[in-house]
Amino acid sequence: EADIYQTPRYLVIGTGKKITLECSQTMGHDKMYWYQQDPGMELHLIHYSYGVNSTEKGDLSSESTVSRIRTEHFPLTLESARPSHTSQYLCASSGGLASSYNEQFFGPGTRLTVL
Amino acid sequence: GQQLNQSPQSMFIQEGEDVSMNCTSSSIFNTWLWYKQDPGEGPVLLIALYKAGELTSNGRLTAQFGITRKDSFLNISASIPSDVGIYFCAGVFGNEKLTFGTGTRLTIIP
Repeated sequence: EADIYQTPRYLVIGTGKKITLECSQTMGHDKMYWYQQDPGMELHLIHYSYGVNSTEKGDLSSESTVSRIRTEHFPLTLESARPSHTSQYLCASSGGLASSYNEQFFGPGTRLTVL
Repeated sequence: GQQLNQSPQSMFIQEGEDVSMNCTSSSIFNTWLWYKQDPGEGPVLLIALYKAGELTSNGRLTAQFGITRKDSFLNISASIPSDVGIYFCAGVFGNEKLTFGTGTRLTIIP
């Protein structure tokens, strides 16, 4: 079982609030990712990181930002949440001795609702 | 970016039936991954494929990496209620990012 954690699991907030979604992994993986997914739909990559102090934007434009100060931690921040940000946010990681570099392991997700 | 066409979009089957789904792409991949996602959870990796023509099993699940490197298939034998969920394929070329399919929703009819 993959050791990747996301908090909170559910978040309901008002428009304009600043939020940070936490993601941590204990597998020592170099690569970490954030995906956005509407219920039952495909996953869209919004951010990724190939190591400490490395962050890149994904295929889907997002107003969120990320940071990678420590290998195990990859938080996502929204400075001013809007209803259009309502979605499920999934964190994943890959890379390491025990698995292929391409095998991504996902956290349980954070379901965000912005009122 | 690249797109993966996954079919069927949804399946309604009876318990005990076998299931087949597939993904096709206009581009070649050198890795195919199959994931299952339960409602409200993150995807869980089921099977990884690394060579064209490779056939890999994981219990009742069998997946194949197409010879052309542009497609992959997932079969589930003797389905059980816990097989319900959404199945996603994902392809990778080199060490690039994953491209996900659109998903196949599996429902078991009582």
